[in-house]
Amino acid sequence: GENVEQHPSTLSVQEGDSAVIKCTYSDSASNYFPWYKQELGKRPQLIIDIRSNVGEKKDQRIAVTLNKTAKHFSLHITETQPEDSAVYFCAAPHISSGSARQLTFGSGTQLTVLP
Amino acid sequence: EAQVTQNPRYLITVTGKKLTVTCSQNMNHEYMSWYRQDPGLGLRQIYYSMNVEVTDKGDVPEGYKVSRKEKRNFPLILESPSPNQTSLYFCASRPFLGGSSYEQYFGPGTRLTVT
Repeated sequence: GENVEQHPSTLSVQEGDSAVIKCTYSDSASNYFPWYKQELGKRPQLIIDIRSNVGEKKDQRIAVTLNKTAKHFSLHITETQPEDSAVYFCAAPHISSGSARQLTFGSGTQLTVLP
Repeated sequence: EAQVTQNPRYLITVTGKKLTVTCSQNMNHEYMSWYRQDPGLGLRQIYYSMNVEVTDKGDVPEGYKVSRKEKRNFPLILESPSPNQTSLYFCASRPFLGGSSYEQYFGPGTRLTVT
């Protein structure tokens, strides 16, 4: 199966600063890398994803970069705001018979944006 | 409104008393799965189903059962709950056959306490 490691487990930044969360994965066939945000008491929701044929993807203040050779991908949040405070999860699929049958999640990063 | 629903949202039960958590989606998704979320461990997959009558074990299936008799429903069954199954449970669904996105849609979660 897939093994996904996520760092750091907690991250505190000052409002307006940038935050970076990193993940590594083990399955070289993985081809899709999503990031989910979970606010306190809520369900996880997809915020951005990237496919393996792209090295970087950006959506306003958030971006994801992918290094397939090194098998790691990162979430970058710029100009952080208090509403960015949440738990962030990375994930990677286990590919079997050409299909993504399982999505393995990292252990999560608690991001706190200090005013 | 496209959604994944779970019931009950909160449940306190005693060791050994069989229980079922229901999950239903109205998006005609083929793929459905169950996760448990525990502090520091992220989201771990219990079981998943790629279509009606097709189910497979995830990473932590011990003590759980599932069934997929209809496309929209994917109940999670705990035949003899134990205290180590106290957790927050999420059901999720996504398209499996065709489509270009692996985005999973999560239910609101079920907080289970086994005493």
